[in-house]
Formats: sequence, C-alpha cells, structure tokens
Amino acid sequence: NAGVTQTPKFQVLKTGQSMTLQCAQDMNHNSMYWYRQDPGMGLRLIYYSASEGTTDKGEVPNGYNVSRLNKREFSLRLESAAPSQTSVYFCASSVTSGPSYEQYFGPGTRLTVT
Amino acid sequence: GQQVMQIPQYQHVQEGEDFTTYCNSSTTLSNIQWYKQRPGGHPVFLIQLVKSGEVKKQKRLTFQFGEAKKNSSLHITATQTTDVGTYFCADGQTYNNNDMRFGAGTRLTVKP
Repeated sequence: NAGVTQTPKFQVLKTGQSMTLQCAQDMNHNSMYWYRQDPGMGLRLIYYSASEGTTDKGEVPNGYNVSRLNKREFSLRLESAAPSQTSVYFCASSVTSGPSYEQYFGPGTRLTVT
Repeated sequence: GQQVMQIPQYQHVQEGEDFTTYCNSSTTLSNIQWYKQRPGGHPVFLIQLVKSGEVKKQKRLTFQFGEAKKNSSLHITATQTTDVGTYFCADGQTYNNNDMRFGAGTRLTVKP
C-alpha cells in the first residue's frame, strides 16, 4: 500500500497562475482532508470531504476549491495564486469523519508563489 | 483561531535529558490525539487519549490526559536524536463535528 500520495512534491508559481494539487489514497478511507502548514501556525484545515460526493469548508478555505473525484482522489485547486498561499500543503485521509479517527498524511507539496 | 495551545513552542535538550510538551484548552475536549512530524516530513499519528486522567505509554513516551479533559502532556524520558521533530496535539472539539484542530506544535531539537 502506498498510503496517501501527493503530486507534485514541489511547485513554484507566479502570482495569478492557477494549479491543481493532486491527492490519492489506497486505504479505502471515506474521509479526506487538505491542510496547509505555515511556520509557527501548525496545521490549518482548508477543506475536507467527509465522504465521496461531499465537500465542506475548513478553517481557511478562501482562495481554494476542491473536488472529490471519487473515493480515492481529492484535489485542491488554486485559481489565482497569491504570495500568501506560499506554504506546505498536506493531504490526509481517515477511515471516516469525526474526531475519533486518526489521520494519515501524505508527504506534502511545497508551494512557492512569487 | 486555534482551540488548543501548545507550550513550549521550541525546546532544545541535551541527549539523555527529559522533554515535556503541554497542550491546553479552555474548553473540555472529547479526546486528544498526538502526532509527530520529523524535519521535512509529514505528521504521523502517535496516540489518542479519550478518558479523563488517562495515561498511556509507548516505550520512552508517556501521554497523559488531564482529569478535567482540558489539558494533555507528552513526556519523553532520556531523549535520543531520533526524537527530533515537531510534536502536535490535535483536539477533537470541532466546530462542525468533522474536523480536528491542531495545536501549533512544539519543536524539539536534541544535541548529541
């Protein structure tokens, strides 16, 4: 099992460019999440998908959109990148939603917006 | 803002010394999870605490959940260089029942 995979690993964008971060899990998990991690800020939830076909906003959704393509895949799109979106982005999954289930994280995407 | 506060933000120890990080909340937590993130890596689940006063051990790591379920701690005995990383707590008190809030983390460095 690969667990949670993310592509790309690194990306540099210019302000105003768009891109999609891809995430896939092979653990048959129902729930998937997108976080961003900034120095000293811990992990902040951008969007999550409790189950296939549903998505909901997290703590910091502005500037992002998501798509739960199927049970395995959950993508994050930046329509018009801004320097404030420079961060490390982690995708995670869990068996199901709710606070009692441990989350499995992907290796992260390091994004720089100039 | 974050619902759990972690202290300290940084801790530098000599190898062999003990280390403790604390997670505090102003509200009662349903449960708390601990994660470790190695430098350049991703968070990895360590443990979950659910019961008031619960204590769990993993080798040199001891996790405690406060009696009032408003605080938790992670204690590492006799640190090793392999303990280097950032330790996060995550609270199960969600604002919409479907996500967790992570503390800012405690970054541990160990001098050999």
